[in-house]
Amino acid sequence: DVKVTQSSRYLVKRTGEKVFLECVQDMDHENMFWYRQDPGLGLRLIYFSYDVKMKEKGDIPEGYSVSREKKERFSLILESASTNQTSMYLCASTVTGGYGYTFGSGTRLTVV
Amino acid sequence: AQSVTQLDSQVPVFEEAPVELRCNYSSSVSVYLFWYVQYPNQGLQLLLKYLSGSTLVKGINGFEAEFNKSQTSFHLRKPSVHISDTAEYFCAVSSMNTGFQKLVFGTGTRLLVSP
Repeated sequence: DVKVTQSSRYLVKRTGEKVFLECVQDMDHENMFWYRQDPGLGLRLIYFSYDVKMKEKGDIPEGYSVSREKKERFSLILESASTNQTSMYLCASTVTGGYGYTFGSGTRLTVV
Repeated sequence: AQSVTQLDSQVPVFEEAPVELRCNYSSSVSVYLFWYVQYPNQGLQLLLKYLSGSTLVKGINGFEAEFNKSQTSFHLRKPSVHISDTAEYFCAVSSMNTGFQKLVFGTGTRLLVSP
């Protein structure tokens, strides 16, 4: 069964910490995405990548960066975590051509 | 720019009743349309998608949706819901403008099925 795996389901971090969220897919997909999900706001795109070492900003990139050193792995980095980054983070991937995403199970991050 | 509107943030319904979740989109070019479902504390799972062809699309768990180009809508329907359909449902669109890879999501509709 094809999968997108997010390394943590729940995380609690302190304000100012550097936080890494990891996402791995086993489908050889070119495109990977990071979204955050908040009640009433739906899913908002943070960053996406269409190839190794390539990245593009989404709608809300401020306070985040990403890394894609290998095709299967896409990491989201919170350089200095703040309480307003408390959220559910969802990783997704898709093949070029765009027939819909496969999502990971999500990481619920709480910044205290 | 594209956008997706899900006007109903919450839809309460009794078990075995029919339900329709509304989705409208804005785009000036050809689109692909999707419905996803999210059960509590899980990621999103694809319910169905419209790429081309027949405007009536059937998905998993007895759901279907109809693409209406003139009304720019893609409403999701189920003739008889179960308690287990309680979840949040997201409509999404992609288009030639975004290379078809990038999805734009609506804000979601929470379906609450009660006995």
